[in-house]
Amino acid sequence: DIVMTQSPDSLAVSLGERATIKCKSSQSVLSSSTNKNFLGWYQLKPGQPPKLLISWASTRESGIPDRFSGSGSGTDFTLTISSLQAEDVAVYYCHQYYDIPPFMYPFGRGTKLEIK
Amino acid sequence: DVQVVESGGGLVKPGGSLRLSCAASGFASNDVWMNWVRQAPGKGLEWVGRIKSKNYGGTTDYAAPVKGRFTISRDDSQNTHYLQMDSLTTEDTAVYLCSAVSDKYWLGVIWGQGILVTVS
Repeated sequence: DIVMTQSPDSLAVSLGERATIKCKSSQSVLSSSTNKNFLGWYQLKPGQPPKLLISWASTRESGIPDRFSGSGSGTDFTLTISSLQAEDVAVYYCHQYYDIPPFMYPFGRGTKLEIK
Repeated sequence: DVQVVESGGGLVKPGGSLRLSCAASGFASNDVWMNWVRQAPGKGLEWVGRIKSKNYGGTTDYAAPVKGRFTISRDDSQNTHYLQMDSLTTEDTAVYLCSAVSDKYWLGVIWGQGILVTVS
């Protein structure tokens, strides 16, 4: 089973500053046939289901502000929020969907992002 | 439209049982995965268990804290899945969320609104 590991567990960033979250998979989620990374970034706010921000490691979903960006390939990935806004306070998760749908396997606690 | 609706939550005493239902509409029965996660008060999301699509064998898997106590089953005639929870403890108190996704597009996970289970 592919194990996803995020760091840090929690992060406090000042408004307007950059937030960076790392994600590492225990094996590559890059498909050799499609050259796509099967990696998504999700945002979880209280009382709401997880929201997909970034798919294929770097493709921003429709309606997601451009301050959110994803990068990386293979086993190492990064979510960057270029200028933190108050509404970005949430827990963030990276999930692979290389061999199983997202959230349908044991996953970690994510990264809790707060305002400094 | 695809949607997922949970029902069956409530208050139960420690050691008791409860069954949650998850009705998934708009999915073809052969290619839908069904899944449960939970969020205890003040805690993060925790995976509970899943049933794979029939395309992937239709088998069930469970998280370690609930294995042997929780059982997921399906009734294709009703497009409904069930989470049978036995031997409940106070640690099982949480909002339980059902989710479903089609094999056609794993990024299109549909979530229910969540249902509260209180063990007290």
